[in-house]
Amino acid sequence: EVQLVESGGGLVQPGRSLRLSCTASGFTFGDYAMSWVRQAPGKGLEWVGFIRSKAYGGTTEYAASVKGRFTISRDDSKSIAYLQMNSLKTEDTAVYYCTRDSRVTHASGKSSYYFDYWGQGTLVTVSS
Amino acid sequence: VIWMTQSPSLLSASTGDRVTISCRMSQGISSYLAWYQQKPGKAPELLIYAASTLQSGVPSRFSGSGSGTDFTLTISCLQSEDFATYYCQQYYSFPWTFGQGTKVEIK
Repeated sequence: EVQLVESGGGLVQPGRSLRLSCTASGFTFGDYAMSWVRQAPGKGLEWVGFIRSKAYGGTTEYAASVKGRFTISRDDSKSIAYLQMNSLKTEDTAVYYCTRDSRVTHASGKSSYYFDYWGQGTLVTVSS
Repeated sequence: VIWMTQSPSLLSASTGDRVTISCRMSQGISSYLAWYQQKPGKAPELLIYAASTLQSGVPSRFSGSGSGTDFTLTISCLQSEDFATYYCQQYYSFPWTFGQGTKVEIK
């Protein structure tokens, strides 16, 4: 059974840092890309960032709202994905979900990823 | 950035109804679209990917259609467990984006 468990959330002051972890089990972690998606209280879903598997370079992509402040990394030996969040702002307050991303190649030949499994989320509150 | 317009934002329906939710893109995305269901206090769950492919374990009353800029999620016979919020999401190009969500409530 695929399981994703986020941890590391909590209350943090504006301008400070926080690191979230996503511990995976039930699948070969190194074979999959991973993403972080957040949801502010009472709001919709916002994609935060993505990391490819090592087989596809292990490179990352970020939303404009977090680029330069947030960093995604992975430790395949521990089956953990991380979200390092620096210079936090009040508008970063949200539940943060990690997702397992499955690669799909469409008839056009272009490949991309969709979120096939989600963790339960961890709440990050940025407030003084 | 690909902008998405999801409608309606709120849908009131009864058990047994057929309901449709629309998602329109600001530019063509072929079939790089997924649909997710989210219940209150829970994480979203994947329903459909590649615009019309049902995720394993998802009931066949859910279906997706469309290509290019216009997409539809249909629930053929609404069940009590289907009252939830639904999101479309494009994965054609970065930044990946979500629709604003459609809350399906009991009429």
